[in-house]
Amino acid sequence: NAGVTQTPKFQVLKTGQSMTLQCAQDMNHEYMSWYRQDPGMGLRLIHYSVGAGITDQGEVPNGYNVSRSTTEDFPLRLLSAAPSQTSVYFCASSYLSVRGSMNTEAFFGQGTRLTVV
Amino acid sequence: GQNIDQPTEMTATEGAIVQINCTYQTSGFNGLFWYQQHAGEAPTFLSYNVLDGLEEKGRFSSFLSRSKGYSYLLLKELQMKDSASYLCAVRSGSARQLTFGSGTQLTVLP
Repeated sequence: NAGVTQTPKFQVLKTGQSMTLQCAQDMNHEYMSWYRQDPGMGLRLIHYSVGAGITDQGEVPNGYNVSRSTTEDFPLRLLSAAPSQTSVYFCASSYLSVRGSMNTEAFFGQGTRLTVV
Repeated sequence: GQNIDQPTEMTATEGAIVQINCTYQTSGFNGLFWYQQHAGEAPTFLSYNVLDGLEEKGRFSSFLSRSKGYSYLLLKELQMKDSASYLCAVRSGSARQLTFGSGTQLTVLP
């Protein structure tokens, strides 16, 4: 059981380049989300999805796109990288509702450390 | 909007007890979570409260008062490995969004 897998772990981009951060989960979770974490600001929600084909914006969506074509995958696209997007990005997944003894805790990937120069 | 407040930093001594407070303002409350995050690592789940009261899990306990918008995480018999950031998070809204506080950096001293 791999849980939540994020790739790559590290990435350096030049301003204006585009790229996709990959996220996959094998727990059949309905809910998936992307956060960015900056020093002193905690985790801020970028985009989220409550199921395949459904996505919505979080607190800081500008400059990012997402899609959810399958339950397992939730890629995050940076359209034109900017230095302000230098951050650590976390993907997370969870059930939408309690399942027996399992609550709706979020499981996190190991993070992608992105630097835009 | 939502507002989640927790202290930025706390320091405690090995073997002691520490309480980390979290206050929140939200609509459509659907649960409060505590996560632990060591430097350079992903957050990991510690506890979950959806009803008022105390939930105990070994050395860690979490309390919730929904009417006061207040929770705390209690860590007993502190160990050096407990030095980490502790994140309070609230799930709310019809889409069950999870919103995080800025985290409390706990340093355990020998």
